[in-house]
Amino acid sequence: EDKVVQSPLSLVVHEGDTVTLNCSYEVTNFRSLLWYKQEKKAPTFLFMLTSSGIEKKSGRLSSILDKKELFSILNITATQTGDSAVYLCAANYGGSQGNLIFGKGTKLSVKP
Amino acid sequence: DTEVTQTPKHLVMGMTNKKSLKCEQHMGHRAMYWYKQKAKKPPELMFVYSYEKLSINESVPSRFSPECPNSSLLNLHLHALQPEDSALYLCASSQEAGAVFWPQHFGDGTRLSIL
Repeated sequence: EDKVVQSPLSLVVHEGDTVTLNCSYEVTNFRSLLWYKQEKKAPTFLFMLTSSGIEKKSGRLSSILDKKELFSILNITATQTGDSAVYLCAANYGGSQGNLIFGKGTKLSVKP
Repeated sequence: DTEVTQTPKHLVMGMTNKKSLKCEQHMGHRAMYWYKQKAKKPPELMFVYSYEKLSINESVPSRFSPECPNSSLLNLHLHALQPEDSALYLCASSQEAGAVFWPQHFGDGTRLSIL
């Protein structure tokens, strides 16, 4: 059965801390791995990773994929209260259609 | 604000009502999606439209009926819903369905409550 597992499920840190969120996946016909940030409404696209070992960076956020070990990490440095959200990892897989299977998310709370 | 627009933002309806959710994008994307998200759970795929044709129906009950009138619009018609159908309904679009390099972009969702 295809699955995406995120850990930890929740995390509380203080402003300025660095956090690492984990995502492991087991999907058939894996194509890419995506990270989204969801606050109260729409999941906001962060990164899409297709190749192993190539880090993607956007400001204080970065992510990398390991296709051999079937996992990805999302790093956030110098966290701010505005980083508080649920971070969703999703694997794009299968045939010719853009299926996404989501993990349950990591709820990050950044305290001042 | 996202580039995928969903209306209404909130909807309360009775179990005998008929209503529709609407989704619009003007990014030229050819794939559009409906997801259902219950509280504290990840989004679950319901339907995929590719080039205005329904390509995936993830065993969704017939009380949910999708429609894609054109490449920019996606509707979800609702009829005889149950209280357990209360959820956030998210629409998403991507350049194409299935191609590796096109991420899905989500609308803000319609929060649906069934009385």
